Amino acid sequence: SYELTQPPSVSVSPGQTARITCSGDALPKKYVFWYQQKSGQAPVLVIYEDNKRPADVPERFSGSTSGTVATLTISGAQVDDEGDYSCYSTDTSGTLRVFGGGTRLTVL
Amino acid sequence: QLQLQESGLGLVKPSETLSLTCAVSGYSINSGYYWGWIRRPPGKGLEWIANFYHDGTTDYNPSLKRRVSILVDTANNQFSLRLSSVTAADAAVYYCARVVISTTYYFDFWGPGAQVSVSS
Repeated sequence: SYELTQPPSVSVSPGQTARITCSGDALPKKYVFWYQQKSGQAPVLVIYEDNKRPADVPERFSGSTSGTVATLTISGAQVDDEGDYSCYSTDTSGTLRVFGGGTRLTVL
Repeated sequence: QLQLQESGLGLVKPSETLSLTCAVSGYSINSGYYWGWIRRPPGKGLEWIANFYHDGTTDYNPSLKRRVSILVDTANNQFSLRLSSVTAADAAVYYCARVVISTTYYFDFWGPGAQVSVSS
């Protein structure tokens, strides 16, 4: 089995920088992806291939990796950014596709 | 514009088979993407279930593989998930999604989800 570990919750004030981490042994070799999910809505891809941002995602969202830890950074977080954020990647073989347990971001 | 919509029975009895359909509009499921199913049990993280390609190639979560089947209806541009012998642990919101074929396959567009409960 393979697991990605995220903190259950992160809380920041509006305008502050929010950082959400994702730890996994295969991350030095495998891309990580980040999804935002607001209550009752479908997940939305906000970062792909470690640090690329889809065209319709605000510039305040960025991704980075260092060793076995990937970080999603939201610079100048807004109340509208509240929701659950999940990382996604695979094990080294590419066979097991797994999500992190999710992090609830609160901005208030 | 791509749209995915899940549908199916919202209540399944234990030991029976869960059945959901994903209707795709705005893109042909016969064209260069995989398509997949993911679920989120209440209070838990997302869990990948399976992916498939229109040529019949399938890719299953090993923990669910023996209970999962994917049916493809290209004429109606939709695909279905069957999960047999369900238990309470299979209660979840089930999502269908488009899968980008890249170095790592990933989900770039999701349906709104379908809630499934398991109870007698």
